Amino acid sequence: NAGVTQTPKFQVLKTGQSMTLQCAQDMNHEYMSWYRQDPGMGLRLIHYSVGAGITDQGEVPNGYNVSRSTTEDFPLRLLSAAPSQTSVYFCASSSDLGRGLANNEQFFGPGTRLTVL
Amino acid sequence: GIQVEQSPPDLILQEGANSTLRCNFSDSVNNLQWFHQNPWGQLINLFYIPSGTKQNGRLSATTVATERYSLLYISSSQTTDSGVYFCAVTTSGTYKYIFGTGTRLKVLA
Repeated sequence: NAGVTQTPKFQVLKTGQSMTLQCAQDMNHEYMSWYRQDPGMGLRLIHYSVGAGITDQGEVPNGYNVSRSTTEDFPLRLLSAAPSQTSVYFCASSSDLGRGLANNEQFFGPGTRLTVL
Repeated sequence: GIQVEQSPPDLILQEGANSTLRCNFSDSVNNLQWFHQNPWGQLINLFYIPSGTKQNGRLSATTVATERYSLLYISSSQTTDSGVYFCAVTTSGTYKYIFGTGTRLKVLA
């Protein structure tokens, strides 16, 4: 298993540009999520999904869109990039939610480092 | 919302020393994880431990859910233990993980 994969690893954007960060997992996990980590800080939840077709907002959703058309993929879209979105973005997936809210151990991808000029 | 506080914020150790990191949370939790973020930024799962005690080599963790804290023990520390240690929790009825502020550990040779 490749686990959780993210592309690209690095990206530089100009203010106002849009782009999509890709995330995929091959563990058949129902739950996927996106976080951002600013320098010297912890991770903050942007959006999450509990299954194909179902998404919800986290702590810091403004400026980002997500969709979940398949179990494997959970892309994050930046609609109009701003310097405040300069950060490292992590995608994560969790164990089978068939067991309920418990046993929700998360596994993280390697991250995408984004700079907005 | 739930508050997750970690202590100490910074820790410097000599190689071979032992340490205890603490995670306090302000509400009942149904999931709790400890992560190590290495100097290259990679997040490594250490323990999934919503309650009880677990051990993995030189690391062990204990969560006392009724008293709303978790402890991570590192014994015989090595330079490769350097990095930031995070705890993260979810509260009952939610899938949202909330991360603590982290403990930055530096182990000196």
